Amino acid sequence: KAGVTQTPRYLIKTRGQQVTLSCSPISGHRSVSWYQQTPGQGLQFLFEYFSETQRNKGNFPGRFSGRQFSNSRSEMNVSTLELGDSALYLCASSFDSMEPTEAFFGQGTRLTVV
Amino acid sequence: GQQVMQIPQYQHVQEGEDFTTYCNSSTTLSNIQWYKQRPGGHPVFLIQLVKSGEVKKQKRLTFQFGEAKKNSSLHITATQTTDVGTYFCACHMDSNYQLIWGAGTKLIIKP
Repeated sequence: KAGVTQTPRYLIKTRGQQVTLSCSPISGHRSVSWYQQTPGQGLQFLFEYFSETQRNKGNFPGRFSGRQFSNSRSEMNVSTLELGDSALYLCASSFDSMEPTEAFFGQGTRLTVV
Repeated sequence: GQQVMQIPQYQHVQEGEDFTTYCNSSTTLSNIQWYKQRPGGHPVFLIQLVKSGEVKKQKRLTFQFGEAKKNSSLHITATQTTDVGTYFCACHMDSNYQLIWGAGTKLIIKP
């Protein structure tokens, strides 16, 4: 079956703009989590969606938001971009994060803010 | 917030030497998962441990879950260049379904 698909793969934006990233989970997976990863850093948790509801949220400012659609596809939006938002954004899907199943990651979207 | 500590942050080894990374928590874990991220890649699931004292092996990799379910280790015997990358632990804590991630240990093979 198809893996987790993230689009676009690369993005260059100007400071102050906004951006929307997309994640299509593995078919049948209802949980989608988003992470920010900067060079040499670990995975910083942004939020998790399950059945169109935000179930968990990390410590990021309100400029970072997301949503999930009825087909489990998820989008992440960052408004008023700052230079420090340049990072690899990863999404991961799992069948249900309430159960201890593995997370499958997409290839990520590499965002550069100039 | 809930945390899991992973050490060391980096480990430099000669090819053929062993490598170990550790994850520790102050609270009981429901499970622990290990992932590998190759340079330029995304994290890929390696294994999950659920039972107290569980030990699992995958070729040269040995994964252990502590008796108290508060710590875990990943040991690689006789490292090879293909082992290069960052190894992350991730876990669910009791009564919490959010996956908590360690900071990762970067394995570097000395030339």
